Amino acid sequence: SQQGEEDPQALSIQEGENATMNCSYKTSINNLQWYRQNSGRGLVHLILIRSNEREKHSGRLRVTLDTSKKSSSLLITASRAADTASYFCATGPNAGGTSYGKLTFGQGTILTVHP
Amino acid sequence: ETGVTQSPTHLIKTRGQQVTLRCSSQSGHNTVSWYQQALGQGPQFIFQYYREEENGRGNFPPRFSGLQFPNYSSELNVNALELDDSALYLCASSLAAGGGTDTQYFGPGTRLTVL
Repeated sequence: SQQGEEDPQALSIQEGENATMNCSYKTSINNLQWYRQNSGRGLVHLILIRSNEREKHSGRLRVTLDTSKKSSSLLITASRAADTASYFCATGPNAGGTSYGKLTFGQGTILTVHP
Repeated sequence: ETGVTQSPTHLIKTRGQQVTLRCSSQSGHNTVSWYQQALGQGPQFIFQYYREEENGRGNFPPRFSGLQFPNYSSELNVNALELDDSALYLCASSLAAGGGTDTQYFGPGTRLTVL
């Protein structure tokens, strides 16, 4: 079953604009991660934020986490055509050491950046 | 590139057949997880292997089985294939279960089509 719901399902913007994707989840988490997938290929890890963190930055990426609302957002600033891909949030369960790596993914947001 | 490889890239089978998919983990990683990604969906966790032992399983029937070898490469076996097994199968390696980072390094996937 899918833990998270992502919003919007699809996003179309022009190069240079910012893109914001949102993710909601249901259960207690240890961490939340964002991944990118190009054209049905393997996923690439973008950023991980732990449950005791509220905001994290990596290059043009900014992730926020609100555990009280069970939600996260991914902001890509100054988007480029090469950012066109599907973006997934994934949660790592807060269930002890043996649960590491058992990620639950959302259904993803398809981002299209027009040149 | 993550250093995780999978073979074959594509595979076509008929209903009722058996299939074996292979994964070679990133060097130094002792944990491998397998995911199934149906078209238009996010990946779903199948199971995880840590030091050659199954270390958790998602909501998949016993006809999905796996192995991890001493060199940390892995296999996913699916018996009695069904049409709904058609999907992209992703393996992901990570440094350690139980205390390590949750960041997963994904391979490019194997596209399985069941006719």
